[in-house]
Amino acid sequence: AQSVAQPEDQVNVAEGNPLTVKCTYSVSGNPYLFWYVQYPNRGLQFLLKYITGDNLVKGSYGFEAEFNKSQTSFHLKKPSALVSDSALYFCAVRDFGNAGNNRKLIWGLGTSLAVNP
Amino acid sequence: SAVISQKPSRDICQRGTSLTIQCQVDSQVTMMFWYRQQPGQSLTLIATANQGSEATYESGFVIDKFPISRPNLTFSTLTVSNMSPEDSSIYLCSASTNTEAFFGQGTRLTVV
Repeated sequence: AQSVAQPEDQVNVAEGNPLTVKCTYSVSGNPYLFWYVQYPNRGLQFLLKYITGDNLVKGSYGFEAEFNKSQTSFHLKKPSALVSDSALYFCAVRDFGNAGNNRKLIWGLGTSLAVNP
Repeated sequence: SAVISQKPSRDICQRGTSLTIQCQVDSQVTMMFWYRQQPGQSLTLIATANQGSEATYESGFVIDKFPISRPNLTFSTLTVSNMSPEDSSIYLCSASTNTEAFFGQGTRLTVV
């Protein structure tokens, strides 16, 4: 069965330090992987995606993520955290294997990132 | 990319009444979805809105409670029927291409 795991409910980092928000996935075919961010009382905003090609993907607001097929992971990273990065982060996967045209996203439970000044 | 306009942004409704949420996309998209989200929690897919045919509902959601329309490729509505306090939540519209999903700002519904 398709699934996404975000093992940490909350991540706390100091401003200026590097941050990592973890995501692992399970799909039967080739994964399309996504990160979204949700600021308080706002909708979801797209950060970045991995479809194919270079395993290191760069996205909005200085975020990047590395696709690791052997570890089935897609961790979100940023070299230097800002207080304004504090938000809820969601990892999602779409399986284009046996599902064919199924375009539903499978969502992780979310990780709350708190960046302390 | 696609821009999604969702309205109302919030509403407070009496139990037993119904609310219809509208979702307008600024470009033609293949798929549209409706989600429910409790504050601070993950997204739960309600249904896939199919253009010109009945929506495809996820387990635990039924058409009588959440009727959905999608008359064309850029517009969809979700109705929350016969509301109870348990329906209080954030409802999100999403439009999807092959490689990306876009979201409206959500409708914060409170049922009293």
